[in-house]
Amino acid sequence: GQQLNQSPQSMFIQEGEDVSMNCTSSSIFNTWLWYKQDPGEGPVLLIALYKAGELTSNGRLTAQFGITRKDSFLNISASIPSDVGIYFCAGQLGTQGGSEKLVFGKGMKLTVNP
Amino acid sequence: EPEVTQTPSHQVTQMGQEVILRCVPISNHLYFYWYRQILGQKVEFLVSFYNNEISEKSEIFDDQFSVERPDGSNFTLKIRSTKLEDSAMYFCASARDRKNIQYFGAGTRLSVL
Repeated sequence: GQQLNQSPQSMFIQEGEDVSMNCTSSSIFNTWLWYKQDPGEGPVLLIALYKAGELTSNGRLTAQFGITRKDSFLNISASIPSDVGIYFCAGQLGTQGGSEKLVFGKGMKLTVNP
Repeated sequence: EPEVTQTPSHQVTQMGQEVILRCVPISNHLYFYWYRQILGQKVEFLVSFYNNEISEKSEIFDDQFSVERPDGSNFTLKIRSTKLEDSAMYFCASARDRKNIQYFGAGTRLSVL
């Protein structure tokens, strides 16, 4: 089945630093999504990307949909303590007749030291 | 803001028992999903449901699992005879249509003893 490779698996940063993470896949997706999960909670959507090459920002978050449709990255600028959590990428095939299921990466655990 | 609601938040059961996990999707959504997350691992797709039938399911979703929308608001996942390896967080999600964003509930933690 489709697999997403997400890296890095974890990061420890100082408050104020920027952080980058990415996901790659051996097969294409038509939608890339980035979710954040806090302990004991469900994934919460941060950014959705629908077109190859698309660059989208949401506050301090910026994400890009790779031109090959097989990768995506997420940047967080000027990190703050509440950025702590696990960040998941997810891909969706989602075209006419295609699967709507989300395929998740393994997650990146972010720790921000104040 | 509308949200997906799941109950209970934690379910403890004995191996071999049946469990029903409940979800109330966002009210104008038509597509419903169950995912699970074994502790420390990634979120995995179980099943999608639309128009009162399963539209897709994964290999995990074997004949021990079933889903139902018994009324206009609830969406349930039943596990007929739980196994130890069914212990996980189970997330319900819903979407307005199949290309729209899936919104997740807070999950039910299932502990099978």
